[in-house]
Amino acid sequence: EVQLVESGGGWVKPGESLRLPCVVAGLTFRDAWMSWVRQAPGQGLEWVGRIKSKGGGGTTDYAAPVRGRFTISRDDSKNTVFLQMDSLKTDDTGVYYCTHITQEPAVMGHWGQGTLVTVSA
Amino acid sequence: QSVLTQPPSASGTPGQRVTISCSGSSSNIGSNAVNWYQQLPGMAPKLLIDINNRRPSGVPDRFSGSKSGTSASLAISGLQSEDEADYSCAAWDDSLNAYVFGAGTKVTVL
Repeated sequence: EVQLVESGGGWVKPGESLRLPCVVAGLTFRDAWMSWVRQAPGQGLEWVGRIKSKGGGGTTDYAAPVRGRFTISRDDSKNTVFLQMDSLKTDDTGVYYCTHITQEPAVMGHWGQGTLVTVSA
Repeated sequence: QSVLTQPPSASGTPGQRVTISCSGSSSNIGSNAVNWYQQLPGMAPKLLIDINNRRPSGVPDRFSGSKSGTSASLAISGLQSEDEADYSCAAWDDSLNAYVFGAGTKVTVL
């Protein structure tokens, strides 16, 4: 069974940073493409970005609202993908889901339970 | 404002057929496959229809997807109470180089 477990959510002030790890089990992580999706309170889903496997080039892509502020990375030795969020804004508030891309380019067949990030003064 | 357009709500009685539309453009639905996700209340989303218009294991066959031009739709045949959820369409957008979602449609079983 594939399991994705996010952590690291919490309350931060605008302009601050936060790092979300997601530990993955039940699949060959080094071959996995991973992504992050967020959901503001009462709103729809918003794709944040993805990271390809090293065999797939290891490159990253980001949605326009977070490009230049957020960074996705991975540690294949720890089966973990990270979302580094800098210069946080109040609009970044929401539940952040770690997801496993099961079909290219970004179809997400496995989801974590989500972690809540609140950005407020 | 979402790149893909969905109606905010849809409803039906048990056993009815409900259809949810998703409208996009030539850079997303017009040139890439559409996927659908279901989000039950208080839960994480789940993939409902994949890139080949197939249902992942465990998804009932009453759910089906279709696409024509720059629009797509999800049909729920034989609506059941457990289908009450939010449904979101999504597709890769070649111009944005990003995966884009619709705002979601809340399905209510009357």
